This record gives sequence, structure tokens and C-alpha cells, in this order.
Amino acid sequence: AQSVTQLGSHVSVSEGALVLLRCNYSSSVPPYLFWYVQYPNQGLQLLLKYTSAATLVKGINGFEAEFKKSETSFHLTKPSAHMSDAAEYFCAVSDAGNQFYFGTGTSLTVIP
Amino acid sequence: ETGVTQSPTHLIKTRGQQVTLRCSSQSGHNTVSWYQQALGQGPQFIFQYYREEENGRGNFPPRFSGLQFPNYSSELNVNALELDDSALYLCASSRQGGYEKLFFGSGTQLSVL
Repeated sequence: AQSVTQLGSHVSVSEGALVLLRCNYSSSVPPYLFWYVQYPNQGLQLLLKYTSAATLVKGINGFEAEFKKSETSFHLTKPSAHMSDAAEYFCAVSDAGNQFYFGTGTSLTVIP
Repeated sequence: ETGVTQSPTHLIKTRGQQVTLRCSSQSGHNTVSWYQQALGQGPQFIFQYYREEENGRGNFPPRFSGLQFPNYSSELNVNALELDDSALYLCASSRQGGYEKLFFGSGTQLSVL
């Protein structure tokens, strides 16, 4: 069975500070991993995805994530937070079947 | 290239009623998935349709049903609405394959009173 756990339902950072959102996964097969962002009253938008190529994945808006198999982690980072980064972030795993399993989300607040 | 569109954006129903939600997939996509997102939770997989056939289902009762049409648009039907069905319903389209990224619509906010 596939699942993801997002540590920290709420994260606050100062504008310009490092953003680190944590995701650990459980998968019985090599996983496909994703980070999505959701702005208020909108659907989910893909930030980046890992599909067994490079372990460091670069996404949109300056975000990146590193796949660490030994730690079963796929944490999302951004060197310098911007006010526009305030949103809900979801980690998801897929087993290349037809179902995505989403975490419960992390709400990012950026303090000016 | 058109994105995923869902209608209506908001809906209010009473317990026991039936509801139909609609989704137009992104151009070039043949797979549609439906997700339920309760307040404060991540999206939960309801089912997926590929070439007009159900191609996987999550842990939802049979009163949740769907259709996919030849143009790859889709409907989600929910019968005998319950209060717990109140949620944001998200439609996502993709090319076939779980490793393909999902493109989400903005969702339909369903309130059951």
C-alpha cells in the first residue's frame, strides 16, 4: 500500500528565509512522488515530480525536492520564501497505477 | 490548450438528494480521476475513468458513480446525499499512467444540509 505523511500541518517562515516542507512516503514498489500546491479556492497545481531519474528534482517557482530512498523522504525546499508562496502544499505518491495518495497537507505562511 | 473545467463551482443540496458534477478534461487527455477533499484534508481518490470504463476505485460506496463520454468529459453522480459528503470535489485529467501528472480543475464545493 502507498501512503505519505507530511510532518507539520502548519509552517511559518519569514520572507526571504528557507522553506522546508517534510514528506515521508511508504511504498511497496518504486514510487512516483509529487508535490502539489493549492491556493485558496483553486485546484491543485503540480510543483514537481520524481519518476526515478535524478534524485534532486527542480520544479516551478524555485522549488526543489530531493528523493532519499534510505530515509523514504521527499522533502520540498525553496532557498528564499516569497509572500506569493503562501498556500497549502500536498505531497503525493503513485505506484504507476491509477491512484494518487495525498498527504494531509502543510499550510505555509510567509511573514513579511 | 484548454485546462480542466468543472461545473458548477458551488452547490447546496439537502440530505437524501442526488447530485451530478461535471468535468471537461484537458485537451489530449484520455483519463479522468475524481477526488474528494474534505475540509483540512488531502484529496481522497474516488475513481478513475479511462476510455469510458471505470479503471480503479477508492474506498467509496456504490452511491458514488461516474461516467466518461467519448470526448473524455466526465460526470460524478452521488445518490442519497449524506452530511459527510460535504466537500470540495476535484476532477483531474491525465494521459494514462499513474506516473503522469494530474491536471486539476478548480473543483465543485458541495454543501449538504
